Amino acid sequence: DAGITQSPRHKVTETGTPVTLRCHQTENHRYMYWYRQDPGHGLRLIHYSYGVKDTDKGEVSDGYSVSRSKTEDFLLTLESATSSQTSVYFCAISESERYEQYFGPGTRLTVT
Amino acid sequence: KQEVTQIPAALSVPEGENLVLNCSFTDSAIYNLQWFRQDPGKGLTSLLLIQSSQREQTSGRLNASLDKSSGRSTLYIAASQPGDSATYLCKAAGNKLTFGGGTRVLVKP
Repeated sequence: DAGITQSPRHKVTETGTPVTLRCHQTENHRYMYWYRQDPGHGLRLIHYSYGVKDTDKGEVSDGYSVSRSKTEDFLLTLESATSSQTSVYFCAISESERYEQYFGPGTRLTVT
Repeated sequence: KQEVTQIPAALSVPEGENLVLNCSFTDSAIYNLQWFRQDPGKGLTSLLLIQSSQREQTSGRLNASLDKSSGRSTLYIAASQPGDSATYLCKAAGNKLTFGGGTRVLVKP
């Protein structure tokens, strides 16, 4: 398995609070991605990074921001969590956009 | 806009039967298609990646084919086992990364 960890694995938070999810990789892959998975919507790309400090939006980026200050870490921040952001969040990595993606174990976030 | 469809959404087969899973995509301008397996409450495990220049890829009991002209990929799993029970997802990679909704498979002993 690719060396990808996500933290925390589970989190319950209240509406309006900021939340940061962390993805850490040990593979030295250039690309990192954040997805959310919801029943009826499948997996949807939130943001991705193609290098340190290089990020771009996915299809559902509103309400989310990201940062990548080191190759191995990619942070996803919900500035002010809403109930619609209750979801399972997955991080993925790849050597390039044309190579295989490998996924982390996921973070289950509940916003009450 | 790329749309990726997996039909059926669920299927159940007896152990030993071959599995055929379908993935359709609307935009043939992809550079690869990847198949994944997801167990309940877990992340996605990569099964096979087919580059756009390839027609098929094989790994053990798994074989995936790609027909860009018709917008289809098929994942074959030979001699299914109860341990193959999971949700199978395909992802088309082009200008966008687009996942299908998945096919939930149950292999009955």
